Amino acid sequence: EDQVTQSPEALRLQEGESSSLNCSYTVSGLRGLFWYRQDPGKGPEFLFTLYSAGEEKEKERLKATLTKKESFLHITAPKPEDSATYLCAVQAAVDYTGANSKLTFGKGITLSVRP
Amino acid sequence: DTEVTQTPKHLVMGMTNKKSLKCEQHMGHRAMYWYKQKAKKPPELMFVYSYEKLSINESVPSRFSPECPNSSLLNLHLHALQPEDSALYLCASSQGGVWSNSPLHFGNGTRLTVT
Repeated sequence: EDQVTQSPEALRLQEGESSSLNCSYTVSGLRGLFWYRQDPGKGPEFLFTLYSAGEEKEKERLKATLTKKESFLHITAPKPEDSATYLCAVQAAVDYTGANSKLTFGKGITLSVRP
Repeated sequence: DTEVTQTPKHLVMGMTNKKSLKCEQHMGHRAMYWYKQKAKKPPELMFVYSYEKLSINESVPSRFSPECPNSSLLNLHLHALQPEDSALYLCASSQGGVWSNSPLHFGNGTRLTVT
């Protein structure tokens, strides 16, 4: 069974204090690892897709990296507006039914950035 | 603003009511999804339509009935719900069919309260 574990559950940072969010996963053949940001009362907002170990993607203050067992979301010099819940999800290799093409989500990391 | 539009944003219904949630996307995406999200939990998959056909039903109770009138529209018909069905209902779409590994794009959800 595919599993995704995110740590820590919650993270409080001072503005400008860089840190990393961890997403550990076990999956039978990774087709994609996805990072989302979710603000309270809103739907998840897509951030990045990573497809293979060694891949990195960047967007503003965020950088996502991927190994064969985990992904990190690095936040450089965060601002209060980066406060949100960050969700990691994996998609496994697809069988002929397509049934295991669905995403397995982690429980999320709630990030709070103080001014 | 997201490119997946959900209406209504909020819905309060009694256990004997019949209501519908609506979702629309004009990105040309070929798969559309319904998710349910409880507070401080990750989204849980309910249904997937791929090329306008129901591809995945995650053993959802029959009081939830999905409908995909065309490639841009997705409905979720609700009948005889229970208070424990109160949650944020999220619609999402993805570019490929259910077997693709393209990212999901979520709407901002309908906050449903069952009284």
